[in-house]
Amino acid sequence: GENVEQHPSTLSVQEGDSAVIKCTYSDSASNYFPWYKQELGKGPQLIIDIRSNVGEKKDQRIAVTLNKTAKHFSLHITETQPEDSAVYFCAAIYSGGYQKVTFGTGTKLQVIP
Amino acid sequence: EAQVTQNPRYLITVTGKKLTVTCSQNMNHEYMSWYRQDPGLGLRQIYYSMNVEVTDKGDVPEGYKVSRKEKRNFPLILESPSPNQTSLYFCASSYGVGQPQHFGDGTRLSIL
Repeated sequence: GENVEQHPSTLSVQEGDSAVIKCTYSDSASNYFPWYKQELGKGPQLIIDIRSNVGEKKDQRIAVTLNKTAKHFSLHITETQPEDSAVYFCAAIYSGGYQKVTFGTGTKLQVIP
Repeated sequence: EAQVTQNPRYLITVTGKKLTVTCSQNMNHEYMSWYRQDPGLGLRQIYYSMNVEVTDKGDVPEGYKVSRKEKRNFPLILESPSPNQTSLYFCASSYGVGQPQHFGDGTRLSIL
């Protein structure tokens, strides 16, 4: 089955700096890679996703890059703000087959004002 | 408003006492899933359902049951709960496995 490793587990940045979270996956068949943000006391919410036919996707201050050869993908947050403080999860999914969803272990991001 | 509703939000119970956590979605989603969240382990999939009467095991199904008799509901059943099932549980739904999932706000279970 799929195995997803996520690093770092915690990340502290100064407000205005950039934050990068990386995930590696094991199954080369995986073709859908979402990122979720979880605020305290809430369920995860999708913030951005990318499919395997695309190398990069941006949405304002958030971007995701995918390297299929190396089997890793990264979340980039620029100009971080205190409200970006949360736990972030990546996932790798093969939408054509197994129907399972495998998440990374999460990254707790703290943005220091 | 599109939402996934879980009940209860919090439950403290004792070993061996059967319990059910309900999950309901109002988006006509076909795919539904249960996860447990534990410190350092992230979100792990317990069971999923691709449609009515179609369910399958995720990565950590031991000690759990599910059913999908209606499209909108996907209850999680712990027939004989044990302390190692103390965790934060999330239900999620989507149009398909390769589509964005909508999560409920979670159910915190404590089994003594």
